[in-house]
Amino acid sequence: GAVVSQHPSWVICKSGTSVKIECRSLDFQATTMFWYRQFPKQSLMLMATSNEGSKATYEQGVEKDKFLINHASLTLSTLTVTSAHPEDSSFYICSATPGTQAWDTQYFGPGTRLTVL
Amino acid sequence: TQLLEQSPQFLSIQEGENLTVYCNSSSVFSSLQWYRQEPGEGPVLLVTVVTGGEVKKLKRLTFQFGDARKDSSLHITAAQPGDTGLYLCALGGTSYGKLTFGQGTILTVHP
Repeated sequence: GAVVSQHPSWVICKSGTSVKIECRSLDFQATTMFWYRQFPKQSLMLMATSNEGSKATYEQGVEKDKFLINHASLTLSTLTVTSAHPEDSSFYICSATPGTQAWDTQYFGPGTRLTVL
Repeated sequence: TQLLEQSPQFLSIQEGENLTVYCNSSSVFSSLQWYRQEPGEGPVLLVTVVTGGEVKKLKRLTFQFGDARKDSSLHITAAQPGDTGLYLCALGGTSYGKLTFGQGTILTVHP
């Protein structure tokens, strides 16, 4: 099956620094990638939709200047948390899909645990 | 905005018991997916449905989809500790495969 990887799997940083998380589709080209945020014992909350070569579409309430998304190729999207604060600590998950239809399968990465001290 | 209600939020049961998780939408959905997620990992797709009235089985898991395409259920028979995890339903229905997730059900199966 299709595999999506994330790097790093966990990161600890100081408040005020920036952190970059990578999401890669390993064996398929991802037309679209999605970034989610998940707090403990809660569901996934979509942050933004990323299409290769174009600007990401952010969900309401998500600061685009704080969560920078770059989708430079069909196999790589990055999420940069700028000027991180403790409240940004969360589990960040990406997913990728090779299609554009509503029922196309999304393949999820294993997630990145961010802890901001 | 299409709303998705998932219940119950928490289930704590003994090994061998049966359980059902429900997912209801405020409007008709074009596709619905069920996922299972273990702590510290990404969600894993269990099943996708696009046809109203459909029943799918995956070993001890039975997925039912309402004729009106507004509700779905996940039934687990003879639950085992390995079934413990977060179960999520998710709606498709928009372009580019965007999903809307339910609140999730945290299932704990005690040996």
